[in-house]
Amino acid sequence: GNSVTQMEGPVTLSEEAFLTINCTYTATGYPSLFWYVQYPGEGLQLLLKATKADDKGSNKGFEATYRKETTSFHLEKGSVQVSDSAVYFCALKTGGFKTIFGAGTRLFVKA
Amino acid sequence: GAGVSQSPRYKVAKRGQDVALRCDPISGHVSLFWYQQALGQGPEFLTYFQNEAQLDKSGLPSDRFFAERPEGSVSTLKIQRTQQEDSAVYLCASSTLEGEGAKNIQYFGAGTRLSVL
Repeated sequence: GNSVTQMEGPVTLSEEAFLTINCTYTATGYPSLFWYVQYPGEGLQLLLKATKADDKGSNKGFEATYRKETTSFHLEKGSVQVSDSAVYFCALKTGGFKTIFGAGTRLFVKA
Repeated sequence: GAGVSQSPRYKVAKRGQDVALRCDPISGHVSLFWYQQALGQGPEFLTYFQNEAQLDKSGLPSDRFFAERPEGSVSTLKIQRTQQEDSAVYLCASSTLEGEGAKNIQYFGAGTRLSVL
């Protein structure tokens, strides 16, 4: 079946450090891939998405590239800020109405 | 505010009680989703509505779970005879018309945290 695996957290970084959160997937067909972010006390928000192989999604300094050959969609940011502290979820969607989420990775950024 | 609104934000129930969780989607959004998020896990799909029609309920974990959206706007998720394993955050999301496999953005509410004692 379809599934998403992302690196376990928490990830703790100092401000301005480089961020990578790994995400790999298993899917039949050609899924669309997403990163969602959940700030404390708030609902999930779509951060970025990519709908086909080699697409790069980007938003707010975050990037992720859809790699079909490695079935990966790693999230990166060159310089994190304290305000980036949140839980990040990798997700996929194939045919049908379901979005399948990973378990989430909590990021703490220290000033 | 124009976002997805869920109520109550917190609900404590005794085992065996029935609960009802409400979702007000963004005005005009045709599609509505319910998810269950256990502690430390990602959301898991429960059910999907297009207007008032429940097109997919494959994620509902048992027949104690029931969802409705009678007028195609507000939705209610009802859990009968709650059990401890039902403790989770229940998330609602809405989007513009969602075809199968569509890539429309889902807008999430802040969720209802249900604790069953």
